[in-house]
Amino acid sequence: AQSVTQLDSQVPVFEEAPVELRCNYSSSVSVYLFWYVQYPNQGLQLLLKYLSGSTLVKGINGFEAEFNKSQTSFHLRKPSVHISDTAEYFCASRILTGGGNKLTFGTGTQLKVEL
Amino acid sequence: EPEVTQTPSHQVTQMGQEVILRCVPISNHLYFYWYRQILGQKVEFLVSFYNNEISEKSEIFDDQFSVERPDGSNFTLKIRSTKLEDSAMYFCASSSSGSPAGEQYFGPGTRLTVT
Repeated sequence: AQSVTQLDSQVPVFEEAPVELRCNYSSSVSVYLFWYVQYPNQGLQLLLKYLSGSTLVKGINGFEAEFNKSQTSFHLRKPSVHISDTAEYFCASRILTGGGNKLTFGTGTQLKVEL
Repeated sequence: EPEVTQTPSHQVTQMGQEVILRCVPISNHLYFYWYRQILGQKVEFLVSFYNNEISEKSEIFDDQFSVERPDGSNFTLKIRSTKLEDSAMYFCASSSSGSPAGEQYFGPGTRLTVT
């Protein structure tokens, strides 16, 4: 079975400060990893994904994430946040083979950027 | 930019009533999904649908649930006899690819409240 854990339910941060949103995954098989963002009253939008290759993945809006197999982590980072980054962020995984196409999500982290 | 749409945005129903949640996937997509998120909990996979049949479903997706693509554009989720614990945000998603690496595009969700 696979699972995704996001330990921080809320992360407050001041504008222009760096931020890291934590994600840990658990799976007995190889997985793809994703970060989605949900702005108020909108659907989940893909920020970035790790499939293979370089462990540092760059996404939209200046976000990046690093895949760390030994720590089973896929933390999301941004060096300088903007007010418009205020949203809910979801980490998700999907099994490479034999697991269908379903995404397994974490509980989400609410990022609140303050002036 | 094409997007997944869902109606209604909010549905209130009484326990025991039938509800139909509607989704219009992106037009050239062939793979469809429903997920739900109970308040404060993880986004959970319900069902995937391809070629007019269910390809995978979770243990949540019991006999009270059904999905249909009635007219080639809509994708619906029906709950026959709603329970209080069905109260959740329901997300529809679609994808052009059956690969686990393919992106799923999400709608804004329908908030279902069962009273």
